[in-house]
Amino acid sequence: GESVGLHLPTLSVQEGDNSIINCAYSNSASDYFIWYKQESGKGPQFIIDIRSNMDKRQGQRVTVLLNKTVKHLSLQIAATQPGDSAVYFCAENFKGNTPLVFGKGTRLSVIA
Amino acid sequence: NAGVTQTPKFQVLKTGQSMTLQCAQDMNHNSMYWYRQDPGMGLRLIYYSASEGTTDKGEVPNGYNVSRLNKREFSLRLESAAPSQTSVYFCASSQGPFSNQPQHFGDGTRLSIL
Repeated sequence: GESVGLHLPTLSVQEGDNSIINCAYSNSASDYFIWYKQESGKGPQFIIDIRSNMDKRQGQRVTVLLNKTVKHLSLQIAATQPGDSAVYFCAENFKGNTPLVFGKGTRLSVIA
Repeated sequence: NAGVTQTPKFQVLKTGQSMTLQCAQDMNHNSMYWYRQDPGMGLRLIYYSASEGTTDKGEVPNGYNVSRLNKREFSLRLESAAPSQTSVYFCASSQGPFSNQPQHFGDGTRLSIL
């Protein structure tokens, strides 16, 4: 199997419960943030993004919250399903001339 | 619509061998990227190409070279493979590196160097 998830923090959630995955970003000047989902053996898949002029953005079963005061980003997944089991990581875009910077990720394990 | 396609999916090399990883995107994106992903390290940028005809070093460029062949294709070359380059390599593309648009990834090349 995929070894990329070794040594990552793990969140275990019962099927049907809500999940909250957190990310502390590094640069107060960052103006764009993305959440990705990575399943075993696959590449990262875009879930949802948010710009710094927003505090909250909702998608299908997912919500991203941005707290610029404490440089914190969270991903909420409603009614978590077994198919949500994956590694989730955030990315930030430093305002300026650098590409996206990626966090190390959190493994979400859904207990059926 | 294939998105980002990487070849090969798996490869085993001996130390000192050379290898080119191929990447193509069909989304008409301007920018393309090469990352490596190691356990506990997250995604680390090797090289990127902001637009056709330009390439720039990322966080970990040593031991690698890249070629932006045309708008669609961006290749990564290991001239003399070393065991430290054992990793999963991902190619990605986006409208632009600073454009506040998401990057879209391929499914990776799993490279082992013995």
